[in-house]
Amino acid sequence: DGGITQSPKYLFRKEGQNVTLSCEQNLNHDAMYWYRQDPGQGLRLIYYSQIVNDFQKGDIAEGYSVSREKKESFPLTVTSAQKNPTAFYLCASSIIGPGETQYFGPGTRLLVL
Amino acid sequence: AQSVAQPEDQVNVAEGNPLTVKCTYSVSGNPYLFWYVQYPNRGLQFLLKYITGDNLVKGSYGFEAEFNKSQTSFHLKKPSALVSDSALYFCAVRFRGGSYIPTFGRGTSLIVHP
Repeated sequence: DGGITQSPKYLFRKEGQNVTLSCEQNLNHDAMYWYRQDPGQGLRLIYYSQIVNDFQKGDIAEGYSVSREKKESFPLTVTSAQKNPTAFYLCASSIIGPGETQYFGPGTRLLVL
Repeated sequence: AQSVAQPEDQVNVAEGNPLTVKCTYSVSGNPYLFWYVQYPNRGLQFLLKYITGDNLVKGSYGFEAEFNKSQTSFHLKKPSALVSDSALYFCAVRFRGGSYIPTFGRGTSLIVHP
């Protein structure tokens, strides 16, 4: 999984609770991404960032928030506004450029109690 | 705009037989095309990519893919399938001059039977 770590591997959320998923990379990549994966729906982009202290919404940003205070870290918070958070969450990073390969972390599975 | 389609949700093949996982794309310029593989409960791993040059791209684990501009396709192939190739395969596209954010297909589940 190439220099990207995600924690925890499994996360349980109670109703009304915010939870934060960690993503750290040691590849010195400028760009970082968060994706949500649901069965049969492929990968959907939540947020992405190409520089510290800047990030952009992806296709399904509602109910999620991110921060990019350090180049190597891009945590994702799943807020209580996200009514259907059960999914597999993947973090990725890359050099900025359309021909560049993305490197993915091992993922976090979020379950609702 | 860019989009990618993987027309088969599942592909079944016997071990030792050749395999093909299909991908077609739509972009408004010349594409960059990628294949990734995902094993259960794991992140995606890069297999290969087409940037420019030779239309036949060779990648990891004996996989290859052929870029066909006229058919806007980038099918993934392997001459002899292994049971261990069973996984979820994703095609992704970006286009030159556009955003560096890729668009992913919905994935194709490859099942290789012993």
